[in-house]
Amino acid sequence: ETGVTQTPRHLVMGMTNKKSLKCEQHLGHNAMYWYKQSAKKPLELMFVYNFKEQTENNSVPSRFSPECPNSSHLFLHLHTLQPEDSALYLCASSQAQNANTGELFFGEGSRLTVL
Amino acid sequence: GNSVTQMEGPVTLSEEAFLTINCTYTATGYPSLFWYVQYPGEGLQLLLKATKADDKGSNKGFEATYRKETTSFHLEKGSVQVSDSAVYFCALSDRQAGTALIFGKGTTLSVSS
Repeated sequence: ETGVTQTPRHLVMGMTNKKSLKCEQHLGHNAMYWYKQSAKKPLELMFVYNFKEQTENNSVPSRFSPECPNSSHLFLHLHTLQPEDSALYLCASSQAQNANTGELFFGEGSRLTVL
Repeated sequence: GNSVTQMEGPVTLSEEAFLTINCTYTATGYPSLFWYVQYPGEGLQLLLKATKADDKGSNKGFEATYRKETTSFHLEKGSVQVSDSAVYFCALSDRQAGTALIFGKGTTLSVSS
């Protein structure tokens, strides 16, 4: 139990569906992150939020839409995805980015399969 | 830009064997260096870290020394166990540049009894 909870753990969706991934942290952190983990590739940083404000967007396609309503919750809204978007999506949290020593706390991930 | 390169896996060892997983980095500033571990079906968790040159991070029998002259942070363990089977990620954080963690591709370790 890392204090970061992701739901759902597994998701199968068609290319025309709309779904959302949810992340919740109970660690009192102020920064939250979405990473994409694909086989044989480095973890790809997608988005970073500090104090609910987006501070990084690493050229992520607009079919991925993040939302951070407060420092404890982070969503990733998915629509018209492609099969190559199938991956493990990891949420993480940390102290505020400018005070962060580099330690991230990860959830267990949401395994997404796009048919 | 900043990057991390780690040895290709998988690494397959027998129990009690010596482990080394190589990691080198490129950074424009003065990064902190990390090893994260991902056990099957779980998210990543911090294994150890070092924040400046010549620092040695250690945890659970694993060690890594921050070598600025060779830009390396190799992970070692003297005697691996079956329970160490996991994917190991080297990562760097350049706080001066304000970047989030940058990870390597990961190295899969499989230990058999």
